[in-house]
Amino acid sequence: AQTVTQSQPEMSVQEAETVTLSCTYDTSESDYYLFWYKQPPSRQMILVIRQEAYKQQNATENRFSVNFQKAAKSFSLKISDSQLGDAAMYFCVLEGAITGNQFYFGTGTSLTVIP
Amino acid sequence: NAGVTQTPKFQVLKTGQSMTLQCAQDMNHEYMSWYRQDPGMGLRLIHYSVGAGITDQGEVPNGYNVSRSTTEDFPLRLLSAAPSQTSVYFCASRPTSGSWGDTGELFFGEGSRLTVL
Repeated sequence: AQTVTQSQPEMSVQEAETVTLSCTYDTSESDYYLFWYKQPPSRQMILVIRQEAYKQQNATENRFSVNFQKAAKSFSLKISDSQLGDAAMYFCVLEGAITGNQFYFGTGTSLTVIP
Repeated sequence: NAGVTQTPKFQVLKTGQSMTLQCAQDMNHEYMSWYRQDPGMGLRLIHYSVGAGITDQGEVPNGYNVSRSTTEDFPLRLLSAAPSQTSVYFCASRPTSGSWGDTGELFFGEGSRLTVL
């Protein structure tokens, strides 16, 4: 079984500050992908960043970076220089190599950006 | 580019009625999938397809049917709607048939809100 846990239902951050969203997961597979998706109020899901489990280097996309701790099965998302447009629901997602094509979503973290 | 298009965007059904949620993509993606999103539960996979003529079940397939006769279309059918199927439904596709090491981004439609009374 594969599970994804996001223990922070809601988070807030001041504009221009940094915030970290937490995610833990469980999988029996040795190879897998992890993703963070963003869902703004428009409901359109957008990929923020992804990480291959076999890569030790943490992924970075502009102001977004991850802290991937494979042994701890932790995958947190750091948003630097937060902007009003970052306000959204953020989902942590797991795809296993063996199960493949099946994506497991966490329950989401709602991020508010305070001007 | 239209991307992934879902219709209808809103629908109200009575218990026992049937309906089809349509999903079409114009990106020639082999992989297509359906999710439902319920409050506090994230997205859960209903069915998916890795190509025309091939479908498989996800986490929550009961009460839903799918077929994939073309690369572009992946309709989701509710044969006898139940209040428990009230949800927001998302279709998503990606440009791979599942070759490991070539995992791609999922492209989502805008969602369809279904209410079953």
